[in-house]
Amino acid sequence: GDSVTQMEGPVTLSEEAFLTINCTYTATGYPSLFWYVQYPGEGLQLLLKATKADDKGSNKGFEATYRKETTSFHLEKGSVQVSDSAVYFCALSGGTSGTYKYIFGTGTRLKVLA
Amino acid sequence: NAGVTQTPKFRVLKTGQSMTLLCAQDMNHEYMYWYRQDPGMGLRLIHYSVGEGTTAKGEVPDGYNVSRLKKQNFLLGLESAAPSQTSVYFCASSYSIGAGSGYNEQFFGPGTRLTVL
Repeated sequence: GDSVTQMEGPVTLSEEAFLTINCTYTATGYPSLFWYVQYPGEGLQLLLKATKADDKGSNKGFEATYRKETTSFHLEKGSVQVSDSAVYFCALSGGTSGTYKYIFGTGTRLKVLA
Repeated sequence: NAGVTQTPKFRVLKTGQSMTLLCAQDMNHEYMYWYRQDPGMGLRLIHYSVGEGTTAKGEVPDGYNVSRLKKQNFLLGLESAAPSQTSVYFCASSYSIGAGSGYNEQFFGPGTRLTVL
């Protein structure tokens, strides 16, 4: 079945450092890929998405590129801020699980220090 | 426009007690979902619904029941709570999409923190 693997955290960075959170997936067909963010005490919210190979999703300074050849969707940000501290989830939909069901990774906690 | 709301926000139960979690959405979404979030496990799908009057099992349905009597509401029931059901529960909703649309965005509620003693 479909699956998503993302790097374990926590990731601790100083403000203005470069961020990479790795995500790889296993799926048949042509899934869509997502990054969701969960701030403390809140539900998940969509951060960015990519629906086909080589698409780049971007939002709030975060970027991720859909790499079909390496089955990856790594999240990057050039300069993190304290306000970016949150849990980040990689997810897919549209593989064998169908287009309306998501498969989530286990989440990566990011802590940014001032 | 409140989006997705969940009640209650917190609850403590004793083993064997029952309760119902309520999810409501005001976006006229067709699809609704219940997830549980546990440390190191990410989000796991409990049950979902693709329309009013329909429900289906997700990845971890045992010990839970659901109902979707109205399009805007999706109820999650625990008939006899167990300590293993201590978790944070999230409801989500999304649009229905036509073939070839490629994706649908899920909108999440703020969560319900349930402790079973």
